[in-house]
Amino acid sequence: EADIYQTPRYLVIGTGKKITLECSQTMGHDKMYWYQQDPGMELHLIHYSYGVNSTEKGDLSSESTVSRIRTEHFPLTLESARPSHTSQYLCASSESGTVGEKLFFGSGTQLSVL
Amino acid sequence: AQSVTQLGSHVSVSEGALVLLRCNYSSSVPPYLFWYVQYPNQGLQLLLKYTTGATLVKGINGFEAEFKKSETSFHLTKPSAHMSDAAEYFCAVSRSSNYKLTFGKGTLLTVNP
Repeated sequence: EADIYQTPRYLVIGTGKKITLECSQTMGHDKMYWYQQDPGMELHLIHYSYGVNSTEKGDLSSESTVSRIRTEHFPLTLESARPSHTSQYLCASSESGTVGEKLFFGSGTQLSVL
Repeated sequence: AQSVTQLGSHVSVSEGALVLLRCNYSSSVPPYLFWYVQYPNQGLQLLLKYTTGATLVKGINGFEAEFKKSETSFHLTKPSAHMSDAAEYFCAVSRSSNYKLTFGKGTLLTVNP
């Protein structure tokens, strides 16, 4: 059912590299989110966007940045990856205007920084 | 402020047994409550949600949850577990229909044959 895609699924890189995690949705949703998920921990919201050219930082401070130039695309960038960035990153989207909005999640990107 | 506590990071049941996953929340306003499920190597998907109205909410795959304001709880149940129910389950709370979700730490459900 979900039409939200994340690439790559797994990424192993060295310290200091610049990386971009891709997230795209084909549902025309206004709202998009990035969550960080570590084993046994809550999903933490790190970025969100309520529309084109709108981005906000979430509840958990992150060194990553995001952009929203097109409705369907919400990439996350780390300028210089560090081992502390190792985590699973989940992208989600939702449609505005519904009561108790349903989030649609991608399959996630598991990032490992060596 | 809002928060979610899921009691038990791992629950193991036998196939056919009752499934009970516990969730307690705190919210300064009447909450919207959700259960999401994450199957291995997949993204989270919505099981069910409570917004207003009937406190017993039915979701997909035979799951249901009951909102109990006096206990600040939203426990997830299923009368008879199937092997396919093995997954991680996340409870989440929002303070309004347009507010960000706060998730719990998740409960890993194992179903034994």
